[in-house]
Amino acid sequence: GAGVSQTPSNKVTEKGKYVELRCDPISGHTALYWYRQSLGQGPEFLIYFQGTGAADDSGLPNDRFFAVRPEGSVSTLKIQRTERGDSAVYLCASSLLGITGGDEQFFGPGTRLTVL
Amino acid sequence: AQSVTQLGSHVSVSEGALVLLRCNYSSSVPPYLFWYVQYPNQGLQLLLKYTSAATLVKGINGFEAEFKKSETSFHLTKPSAHMSDAAEYFCAVSGRSNDYKLSFGAGTTVTVRA
Repeated sequence: GAGVSQTPSNKVTEKGKYVELRCDPISGHTALYWYRQSLGQGPEFLIYFQGTGAADDSGLPNDRFFAVRPEGSVSTLKIQRTERGDSAVYLCASSLLGITGGDEQFFGPGTRLTVL
Repeated sequence: AQSVTQLGSHVSVSEGALVLLRCNYSSSVPPYLFWYVQYPNQGLQLLLKYTSAATLVKGINGFEAEFKKSETSFHLTKPSAHMSDAAEYFCAVSGRSNDYKLSFGAGTTVTVRA
């Protein structure tokens, strides 16, 4: 079956611009997660959705970052006034229920964001 | 809060040799522990996870890991390395309840020598 997909696979933008990154989770998965992976590091948690609501956004670095999941399926991560330090691979994951920590998270291939 | 530390950012092994990747966790209560593998230009793939059912966990591709509470460790092993095992490996931890996010280690890159 189809896994988690993310678009675009690569995004190059200029400092100060606005970008949107899209995630299509596995059909039927109620939980969706965004992580950010900087070069040479492990992924870092950004935000977690349970259905349509953001259950935990404690990882968002500042108010330039925002994410939505209006219908409980597709999610969009939005970054305003991009900075060079935002350059990273943005990973999306989904899990079936997400109500316990042991739920397996399935990851997409990521979007590589480069801010010039 | 939970965290993990991976010892060694790079590991080089000969084909057929033992692969040992070290991971230590920090948690106030027994956590869930995971090992993920990331091949070049691909997403993270789950190798195995510990959920307290058994301390020795077997995963895909011949990998296994042992949860040792006394050592707060969850090291990953494979008896005989294959060229296809060359990848980056991440140890991760999550909490037991109301803590769904994964906290990852910095990763260990494995190279396999012919």
